[in-house]
Amino acid sequence: EDKVVQSPLSLVVHEGDTVTLNCSYEVTNFRSLLWYKQEKKAPTFLFMLTSSGIEKKSGRLSSILDKKELFSILNITATQTGDSAVYLCAVENQAGTALIFGKGTTLSVSS
Amino acid sequence: GAGVSQSPSNKVTEKGKDVELRCDPISGHTALYWYRQSLGQGLEFLIYFQGNSAPDKSGLPSDRFSAERTGGSVSTLTIQRTQQEDSAVYLCASSLGVGVGQPQHFGDGTRLSIL
Repeated sequence: EDKVVQSPLSLVVHEGDTVTLNCSYEVTNFRSLLWYKQEKKAPTFLFMLTSSGIEKKSGRLSSILDKKELFSILNITATQTGDSAVYLCAVENQAGTALIFGKGTTLSVSS
Repeated sequence: GAGVSQSPSNKVTEKGKDVELRCDPISGHTALYWYRQSLGQGLEFLIYFQGNSAPDKSGLPSDRFSAERTGGSVSTLTIQRTQQEDSAVYLCASSLGVGVGQPQHFGDGTRLSIL
């Protein structure tokens, strides 16, 4: 059975800290891995990763994929209270018709 | 431009009633997806549409669940004879297509509560 596992399930840090969120997967037909940020409602798209070893970066956030070891990490540097959210990792199937989600990591950043 | 729009944002209904949830995708997006997010669970895939057809209904949990899409745009998810275990947030997403490099973009969801 296909599965995506995120760790840790929750994390509390202080403003300014750097955090690393983990995502491992066992998916039969892999096309890409995506990261989303979910605050109150809609998950908002952060990154889509298709190739190993190529870092994607957006401001203080960055992510990388290792297709040999079947995992990805999401890094957030110099965290801010606005980074508090649930971070979702999802794997896209080969056909592009569905995402398989992990249960998410809840990040709380205190001031 | 407008994002994915879902309505209603909240729905409370009695067990046994039918409910309809609506999704209006981003203009020009041909692919549309429904997911369910239950408390303590990850998002669970329900159904995928390409245009008006649904080639992948594999995630629908029972025959009480159905969905349609008309005009290649708006989609409706219908749950008949609702049960308490149907309580969840139902999220809709759309994408330009299913080609590589086209991420899904989500709406705010409909929070469904079955009494």
